[in-house]
Amino acid sequence: KNEVEQSPQNLTAQEGEFITINCSYSVGISALHWLQQHPGGGIVSLFMLSSGKKKHGRLIATINIQEKHSSLHITASHPRDSAVYICAVRFGMDTDKLIFGTGTRLQVFP
Amino acid sequence: NAGVTQTPKFRILKIGQSMTLQCAQDMNHNYMYWYRQDPGMGLKLIYYSVGAGITDKGEVPNGYNVSRSTTEDFPLRLELAAPSQTSVYFCASSYAGDYNEQFFGPGTRLTVL
Repeated sequence: KNEVEQSPQNLTAQEGEFITINCSYSVGISALHWLQQHPGGGIVSLFMLSSGKKKHGRLIATINIQEKHSSLHITASHPRDSAVYICAVRFGMDTDKLIFGTGTRLQVFP
Repeated sequence: NAGVTQTPKFRILKIGQSMTLQCAQDMNHNYMYWYRQDPGMGLKLIYYSVGAGITDKGEVPNGYNVSRSTTEDFPLRLELAAPSQTSVYFCASSYAGDYNEQFFGPGTRLTVL
């Protein structure tokens, strides 16, 4: 069965801390997405990865294909980073359908 | 560009009523998707479309119907609403091929009583 698991489910941090959110999947994938869901409910795409590492501002996403694992890092966290972070994967090459993890709820306190 | 728009934002239905959730995108994306998000669960794909006139079922299609008569619009129809359909519904779109980042609408919160 194609599955996506995220850890931790909930995470609290003090402003300035380095944050790591993890995503593991069960079988080979063609792409992995990281998304952010704001407290108001809106969802935005942060990264799409098929290998290696991507960086955008204070956000870094890495993927290890052999270990079937991806991490999302936030450097110098800020209260405005408080959101739910969602991992989603595309299994195989002949589909654009994504399977979503249940999300990691992050709260950053000043 | 407005991106992906959804209407209504909120709706309360009685059991057995029907309604259509509207979704439109102005990015000329050929792929469109409907998801539902239940508390504590990941987004689940209801239906998707790879272009006008083409639709296919996702993971949880029962109780829903879709149509795609134009590239821009992808309405989701609920027939005979049930409490199990209480959820937040998201529409998304993407450009097929390598650039398949999905763009999400703001969501519709539906309650069936």
